[in-house]
Amino acid sequence: GNSVTQMEGPVTLSEEAFLTINCTYTATGYPSLFWYVQYPGEGLQLLLKATKADDKGSNKGFEATYRKETTSFHLEKGSVQVSDSAVYFCALSPLGTSYDKVIFGPGTSLSVIP
Amino acid sequence: DVKVTQSSRYLVKRTGEKVFLECVQDMDHENMFWYRQDPGLGLRLIYFSYDVKMKEKGDIPEGYSVSREKKERFSLILESASTNQTSMYLCASSLLDSNSYEQYFGPGTRLTVT
Repeated sequence: GNSVTQMEGPVTLSEEAFLTINCTYTATGYPSLFWYVQYPGEGLQLLLKATKADDKGSNKGFEATYRKETTSFHLEKGSVQVSDSAVYFCALSPLGTSYDKVIFGPGTSLSVIP
Repeated sequence: DVKVTQSSRYLVKRTGEKVFLECVQDMDHENMFWYRQDPGLGLRLIYFSYDVKMKEKGDIPEGYSVSREKKERFSLILESASTNQTSMYLCASSLLDSNSYEQYFGPGTRLTVT
């Protein structure tokens, strides 16, 4: 079946450090891939997405590349800020009807300290 | 700006009460979803709907029901609230016809059942 695996953390980084949050997936065909972010006390927001192999999604300095050969979609940022402290969810949307469930990973908590 | 709103940010109810959580979206989306989010368990899908008066069970529908009388509104009902339903509840919506089916989330309702 479809599944998403991501490092669970928590991850603690100093401001301006490099961030990588690993995400791998299992799915048939070519799913769409997403990273969502949840700031404290809020709902999830779409951070970036990629809909086909080798696509790179980017937003707010974050990037992730859809790697079909390694079934991965790792999230990276070159220099994190305190305001990036949040929980990050990797997710996939399988092929098929649009109401196929979006599969979310367990989330990775990131804390950035000054 | 797209918007998903939920009727309450915080709610406290007693065991046995009937609880209504309301969700409204202004994006004319066909699909709507209810999730609960618990520490260590991530997001779990309770119910979803792909059209007015249509509903489908998610992963954990027991103890819940839903209602979708209008396209923009999706209600989650706890027929007889129990303490194990204390959780964060998130509503989301998405387009039926899209190349990626990303979901848009509301801010969440933190429900405490005492």
